[in-house]
Amino acid sequence: DAGVIQSPRHEVTEMGQEVTLRCKPISGHDYLFWYRQTMMRGLELLIYFNNNVPIDDSGMPEDRFSAKMPNASFSTLKIQPSEPRDSAVYFCASSWDREYEQYFGPGTRLTVT
Amino acid sequence: AQRVTQPEKLLSVFKGAPVELKCNYSYSGSPELFWYVQYSRQRLQLLLRHISRESIKGFTADLNKGETSFHLKKPFAQEEDSAMYYCALSGLDNFGNEKLTFGTGTRLTIIP
Repeated sequence: DAGVIQSPRHEVTEMGQEVTLRCKPISGHDYLFWYRQTMMRGLELLIYFNNNVPIDDSGMPEDRFSAKMPNASFSTLKIQPSEPRDSAVYFCASSWDREYEQYFGPGTRLTVT
Repeated sequence: AQRVTQPEKLLSVFKGAPVELKCNYSYSGSPELFWYVQYSRQRLQLLLRHISRESIKGFTADLNKGETSFHLKKPFAQEEDSAMYYCALSGLDNFGNEKLTFGTGTRLTIIP
C-alpha cells in the first residue's frame, strides 16, 4: 500500500481564494482525520470521519473550513475564503479503529499571502 | 527521506514499573523530535519536544544521534499513562521546507 496520499504537497494562494486539500486514506481504514500543524499551536485535530460520516468537527476553526468524504477512498478539506492565518501544514491520517495507530500522510503545506 | 519507526504497536506495563517507548528515526540532517500523546476519547496533543529538554508528566526523552533514537521513558508508570503515543520528526525536505513525519504509534496499557 502506498500509505495515506495527500495532494497537493505545496499550495500557495492569495488571500480570499478558495483552497481544496485532498486525501486518500489507506484502503480498509474506516477512520479519517484532518489535522493542522503550526509552530504556535502544534498539531490540532480539525475533524474526523468514521465510515465517511463526520463524527467530530469541533476542531474546525470557523465556517470558512469545511470537509467532506464522499466515499471511502477520498476526502477533501476546503477553505473558502482563505486567510494568511490559515498558513500551516495540513495532515490527513487514517486508521482502522478510532483509538489505534493512525497512519499520517506527508502533509500539505499551505501558504496564504 | 525521513522516516520514523515505532517498533512496538502494543506495550503493556504494570503500574509502578518503568516504561520505555521506542522510537528510531532516519534523517540525514539535524532533526527536531517530538512525542505526541492521545488519551482515550481525547485529541492528539504534544507531550514533549527534544529541543526543550523538559519533563512532562514524568516522561523524558533523550535524543541519541549515534543510535538515531528518541525513546520515551518514565521511571514509574501510572494508570493514567494509558494512551496512544506517537513519535514525530521535523526536518527539511529537498526543497528546504519543514516536514513533519509521524510514526505509526504505540498503544501503552498500564496494568493496575
